Amino acid sequence: GAVVSQHPSWVICKSGTSVKIECRSLDFQATTMFWYRQFPKQSLMLMATSNEGSKATYEQGVEKDKFLINHASLTLSTLTVTSAHPEDSSFYICSALRGNQPQHFGDGTRLSIL
Amino acid sequence: SQQGEEDPQALSIQEGENATMNCSYKTSINNLQWYRQNSGRGLVHLILIRSNEREKHSGRLRVTLDTSKKSSSLLITASRAADTASYFCALPGTGGSEKLVFGKGMKLTVNP
Repeated sequence: GAVVSQHPSWVICKSGTSVKIECRSLDFQATTMFWYRQFPKQSLMLMATSNEGSKATYEQGVEKDKFLINHASLTLSTLTVTSAHPEDSSFYICSALRGNQPQHFGDGTRLSIL
Repeated sequence: SQQGEEDPQALSIQEGENATMNCSYKTSINNLQWYRQNSGRGLVHLILIRSNEREKHSGRLRVTLDTSKKSSSLLITASRAADTASYFCALPGTGGSEKLVFGKGMKLTVNP
């Protein structure tokens, strides 16, 4: 069964609103989670590394004030897309590290900004 | 960070046939991973192969790694319609971090 839950799976909202996406590790503690963005028929691009209890590490070119990441507990990381605009529409995917296992991925969130 | 490059970018085969996809990279790596993504879903880990390994098997999957040629291949034998998905190779991020850098992916279509 799924070990990483991502919610919501799909969201449509108006331009200018903020959208929060949750990523939960279901039966393990994840000190590190990752957030990716994927455009249609393209690869996953790492946006940031989320570390429990500390600030996220953003990849070059990713606006930290635009994409707020909070890893408040060992089982939950959230990504908030602030003041979303149509160009923020994309498929956002999280993953979590479980010990020394490969990354476990959530099922993604399809974000559509009108 | 380097990005692996899958080849071919798309492949369409009939059920029962084998599918082979390749991933090439440019600089030395400690390991290489293969993932599958069904349409509109997250990624599922398939196999991790380390730099000191030449071949690994998992069910109908066979992965090879040739460090001298800086390439890896994923072979799916006796394909099924359910194997239809995008397949990505993933390389470690810089500095030995736990980050992954994904290739552009290969779209496999298995026709029933």
